[in-house]
Amino acid sequence: GAVVSQHPSWVICKSGTSVKIECRSLDFQATTMFWYRQFPKQSLMLMATSNEGSKATYEQGVEKDKFLINHASLTLSTLTVTSAHPEDSSFYICSARQASPGYGYTFGSGTRLTVV
Amino acid sequence: GENVEQHPSTLSVQEGDSAVIKCTYSDSASNYFPWYKQELGKGPQLIIDIRSNVGEKKDQRIAVTLNKTAKHFSLHITETQPEDSAVYFCAAPNYGQNFVFGPGTRLSVLP
Repeated sequence: GAVVSQHPSWVICKSGTSVKIECRSLDFQATTMFWYRQFPKQSLMLMATSNEGSKATYEQGVEKDKFLINHASLTLSTLTVTSAHPEDSSFYICSARQASPGYGYTFGSGTRLTVV
Repeated sequence: GENVEQHPSTLSVQEGDSAVIKCTYSDSASNYFPWYKQELGKGPQLIIDIRSNVGEKKDQRIAVTLNKTAKHFSLHITETQPEDSAVYFCAAPNYGQNFVFGPGTRLSVLP
């Protein structure tokens, strides 16, 4: 089946530094990938839609200059949290939409970011 | 956009009993409804899905039913086991693009 690989699985960084998270579709091409954020005991909230070769579309309230998304190829999207602060600590999850046979999403395993 | 509600928020059942989680959606044009299971510290995993042209789908101990008229769909887990303990999310399409997730149900299966 479709597999999405996300790295790193966890990361601890100091306030003010930047962190990059990678999301790769291993056995299918994904023209669109999605980035979600999940705070403890809450549901997944869409942050942005990443389209290969074009600018990402951000949801209302998500700072595009803080959460940089790059989708340079059909199998890789990256999320960079710039100048991270403790309030950015969260669980970040990517997913890729399968073009065929249906509308299903495949999720990555998630990245737990802790900013200290 | 699509609005998805999910109940109950927490559910505790005895091992071997059945568990039912219900979701409602707002967009009558939605036609695909997945269910995800998320274990602690991991990403969500698709466990079952249903399209609007069928009313029920079953995969071993897991089943999903869909009532398009009432705009609700439910997850049914029979003969629950401790490893079924997790958070379950339903989802519905948002204008056919991304998905909107329900708030989640924390299922605890008590031995």
